[in-house]
Amino acid sequence: AQSVTQLGSHVSVSEGALVLLRCNYSSSVPPYLFWYVQYPNQGLQLLLKYTSAATLVKGINGFEAEFKKSETSFHLTKPSAHMSDAAEYFCAVISSGSARQLTFGSGTQLTVLP
Amino acid sequence: DSGVTQTPKHLITATGQRVTLRCSPRSGDLSVYWYQQSLDQGLQFLIHYYNGEERAKGNILERFSAQQFPDLHSELNLSSLELGDSALYFCASSPRSSSGGPQETQYFGPGTRLLVL
Repeated sequence: AQSVTQLGSHVSVSEGALVLLRCNYSSSVPPYLFWYVQYPNQGLQLLLKYTSAATLVKGINGFEAEFKKSETSFHLTKPSAHMSDAAEYFCAVISSGSARQLTFGSGTQLTVLP
Repeated sequence: DSGVTQTPKHLITATGQRVTLRCSPRSGDLSVYWYQQSLDQGLQFLIHYYNGEERAKGNILERFSAQQFPDLHSELNLSSLELGDSALYFCASSPRSSSGGPQETQYFGPGTRLLVL
């Protein structure tokens, strides 16, 4: 069964600093990987997805993620944090089989300090 | 705005009661997924419907049931409610893929926050 692990339940960065949120996956078949963001009292918004095309995926709001099969990782990065990036971020996986439900990581709360 | 709508936004009820949560998918999407988000369990998949038929079940309790209607909206019914059912319930929809099944990208609604007292 596929799963994802997010390292660090809380990450704090200064405004303008690099954002790095870590996600490792476990899947016996090629996975589809996603990053979603949840702002306070809102639903989940898709940031980006990996579906076996390019390994470097660019998303919305300046975020990107790189799929590394050798490291089973799909870390999310942004070169320069903005105050508006403060939110909870979820990594998720779907196997490429017939089952299409998302399996989510436990989430990482990003705090951006002024 | 994802295009997925959920009603009501908030629901407060008592233990032992029954509630119905409603979801309307994005126009043209055939798939509806239900997820539960709670502090202790995180985000968990409950159930998936595709074009009116149940496709997959996750960690859904027997007290919970769902259905998808011919107009593709879906309802999640929660009965004999317990304090532990208090959570945020999300619905998501996905487009049809070129192969005919659901596409992998899911678009989430704003959620229904359920509080059981």
